[in-house]
Amino acid sequence: EIVLTQSPGTLSLSPGERATLSCRASQSVTSSSLAWYQQTPGQAPRLLIYGASSRATGIPDRFSGSGSGTDFTLTISRLEPEDFAVYYCQQYSSSPQTFGQGTKVEIK
Amino acid sequence: QVQLQESGPGLVKPSETLSLTCAVSGYSISSGYLWGWFRQPPGKGLEWIGSLYHSGNTYYNPSLRSRVTVSVDTSKNQFSLTLSSVTAADTAVYYCARSYSSGWADYWGRGTLVTVSS
Repeated sequence: EIVLTQSPGTLSLSPGERATLSCRASQSVTSSSLAWYQQTPGQAPRLLIYGASSRATGIPDRFSGSGSGTDFTLTISRLEPEDFAVYYCQQYSSSPQTFGQGTKVEIK
Repeated sequence: QVQLQESGPGLVKPSETLSLTCAVSGYSISSGYLWGWFRQPPGKGLEWIGSLYHSGNTYYNPSLRSRVTVSVDTSKNQFSLTLSSVTAADTAVYYCARSYSSGWADYWGRGTLVTVSS
């Protein structure tokens, strides 16, 4: 099973700042089979990025994904108030698909 | 617009079987995609439980395989989850979702909290 480790656990930033979230896999994630989700309290996860760098339908271009192999990054170029949430990475390279433990982006 | 809605008991006794249904609207399950279940224990991360195609082909997380069944009823455009021999560790918000065969999930239900307690 591929273990995903996200860092940092919590990111304290102000609106307008840039957020950089990391997701590291315990073994190579083939074909860039990695997605990112955003979750706000009491809500279901929302797909942001798939294929490591492709934005899902309706996702603003301030969200971008990059990386390959074992190291992946989600970048939010300028934080909007609605972006303060928990973010999860997911690998679907090998079964079982697995998720990271999440990074909370909180208002500083 | 694709919508998914989970339903089922919110409280299940230890050792009993958890049963949930996901009703899909705005898209026919028979038209394709993977349909699956995920869960999230309170304050914790996400875990994939299992998925299926409309044809009935199923895929399960090995950690839960011995206790899980996912099935589909295309006539009602819904699919279901059963999890047997539950314990307190199965207490979680359960989500149903539509996934691409590659693996990412683009539509999710709102989730339903299932508590395992006597």
